[in-house]
Amino acid sequence: AQKITQTQPGMFVQEKEAVTLDCTYDTSDPSYGLFWYKQPSSGEMIFLIYQGSYDQQNATEGRYSLNFQKARKSANLVISASQLGDSAMYFCALNMNTGFQKLVFGTGTRLLVSP
Amino acid sequence: EAQVTQNPRYLITVTGKKLTVTCSQNMNHEYMSWYRQDPGLGLRQIYYSMNVEVTDKGDVPEGYKVSRKEKRNFPLILESPSPNQTSLYFCASSNRDSNEKLFFGSGTQLSVL
Repeated sequence: AQKITQTQPGMFVQEKEAVTLDCTYDTSDPSYGLFWYKQPSSGEMIFLIYQGSYDQQNATEGRYSLNFQKARKSANLVISASQLGDSAMYFCALNMNTGFQKLVFGTGTRLLVSP
Repeated sequence: EAQVTQNPRYLITVTGKKLTVTCSQNMNHEYMSWYRQDPGLGLRQIYYSMNVEVTDKGDVPEGYKVSRKEKRNFPLILESPSPNQTSLYFCASSNRDSNEKLFFGSGTQLSVL
């Protein structure tokens, strides 16, 4: 069965600095996708970024980029120039390309951005 | 506005009293699912539906029921809630393709006393 691991329960970063949130995954299938979601204190789940296993380049979305290392099975989220509003819970999720959605989520990393 | 609407936002109930959490999406998505979120466990899938009248169990289906009579609606039913079902629940929907992002509802915080 596929598995997602987020080993950092909490991370601290100063405003305007970059931060990397770790995510490793375990799957034997060659076709899969990786998602990152943000959950602020208000509770909603906000999609940030997606990386497909066959994508040649690392995904980027504004200040978010995904450091995808396929051989190491890692998909770390990099947030550049952190802002106070980035303080939130961040979830990594793995989806198998089975023809339908079957997202498996990690346990999350709580990021706190300090002034 | 494209959205997934869940109701209620907060719910406090007592053990054994049947309840339904409603979920509706206006994006004509085929796929809908329910997740529960617990501290330290992330989000775990309860049930999912690939289309009308097609539902299947996720990873933690015990104690829950769902139905998909219409494409837009996917209610979650707790026939006899127990305290271990106290959790934050999310409904989500997406297009069928597995590289499509999930659109989440705003969540339902359920407390079973």
